[in-house]
Order: sequence, then structure tokens, then C-alpha cells
Amino acid sequence: DGGITQSPKYLFRKEGQNVTLSCEQNLNHDAMYWYRQDPGQGLRLIYYSQIVNDFQKGDIAEGYSVSREKKESFPLTVTSAQKNPTAFYLCASSMGKAGELFFGEGSRLTVL
Amino acid sequence: AQSVAQPEDQVNVAEGNPLTVKCTYSVSGNPYLFWYVQYPNRGLQFLLKYITGDNLVKGSYGFEAEFNKSQTSFHLKKPSALVSDSALYFCAVRPPYNQGGKLIFGQGTELSVKP
Repeated sequence: DGGITQSPKYLFRKEGQNVTLSCEQNLNHDAMYWYRQDPGQGLRLIYYSQIVNDFQKGDIAEGYSVSREKKESFPLTVTSAQKNPTAFYLCASSMGKAGELFFGEGSRLTVL
Repeated sequence: AQSVAQPEDQVNVAEGNPLTVKCTYSVSGNPYLFWYVQYPNRGLQFLLKYITGDNLVKGSYGFEAEFNKSQTSFHLKKPSALVSDSALYFCAVRPPYNQGGKLIFGQGTELSVKP
């Protein structure tokens, strides 16, 4: 079945540690996105990528980094510079200008 | 600034009654409009979208939405609510000439359907 796979589902981190969230898609979509979800704030865009080896900052990119070395993969690193990293992170992909976004099941990061 | 508003944090409906979840947007031009549903600790599921054409759009699970350009609204509706419809609903907009195809999301509306 085609879809988007995020891992891990749950992740705990100590302050000062970097963590990487995985996102893989087999939908052959060109564009991929990372959103952060906090209660009552909807989804906020962190980074997005339209093609391999290219990506752009979203609205809240500070403290995060990404790479897009393969079409299928768009990992997100939450660095120690991110001041409030505890959140639910959602990866998505889409094809074309009018295409809807397809979402993964999310990764919940908790900083201890 | 481009934005999406969902004026109700929560909507309560009795099972079998019609439901409406409201969405208004502030975007210049003719945007693409979307509705998604999210169950606890899950990703978002696509319900429907408006690109162009008929203002009434039908989607998954019996949901439909009405696009009103003059009121810049895109309200989600269902004629008869089910308890299983209880979830968090998000309206989203993709502005025209948008770089990268990214969506702008509203803050979400919690729908509660009671038996």
C-alpha cells in the first residue's frame, strides 16, 4: 500500500540533545512537508521541499534542519537550539499544485 | 496576511442532526480550499477540496462543503451526524501562486457528536 511512514511514533529526549524524525513516502510525490502541531494552534509549517536537493524554510524553521537527498525521504532534525520542542510532528507529501496533502501518522516528541 | 479562521473551538451535535463546521479565509485571488479530519494521536485524513466549478463539493464519509466567494467561507456540512464523526476538523487553504504548494491551516474545531 502506498503511503507515508513516520518513525518513531513516540520519542523522548533530554534537553540539549538533537533528535531526527524519519519520514518516508512511496507515493512518488515531488513535494514533502513538515508541520508542527500544538494544542489550540493548528498546524504550523516548519520546512518544505518541492524537489530533491532543495528545501525552503516555513514559518517556524528556527531550531530545525532537514535534508532531501532522495525523493522518498525527508528527515527532520530537532536541534538543541529549538527552545520548546515538545510537540506532535506531522510529515506530508503532495503531487501537483492542486493536489491535497497526504499525512503520516505523526511523531510525538517529549523533552524531559 | 493570509489566514484561515475556524471561529468555533468546539461544536456539539446530537446524533442524527445536521452538523456544520465553519471556516473563513483571508486570501487574495482564488485559493484552493481543503478539509481534513484528525482522530486522537493520528495523522490528518483528507475529506474534500474545492478547486473550481460547482460551489458544493462532496467528499468522504458523507461530508460536503459549500464554497461562498463573497463571504470567503468554506463551511463543512453533513446532513446526519454520527457518533463516529467525533474528531478534530481542520480547514486549510492554498493561496494562488503559492510557492511549494504548502497549505495554511486553521486552528481546528473539535466536533463532539452525542448519542
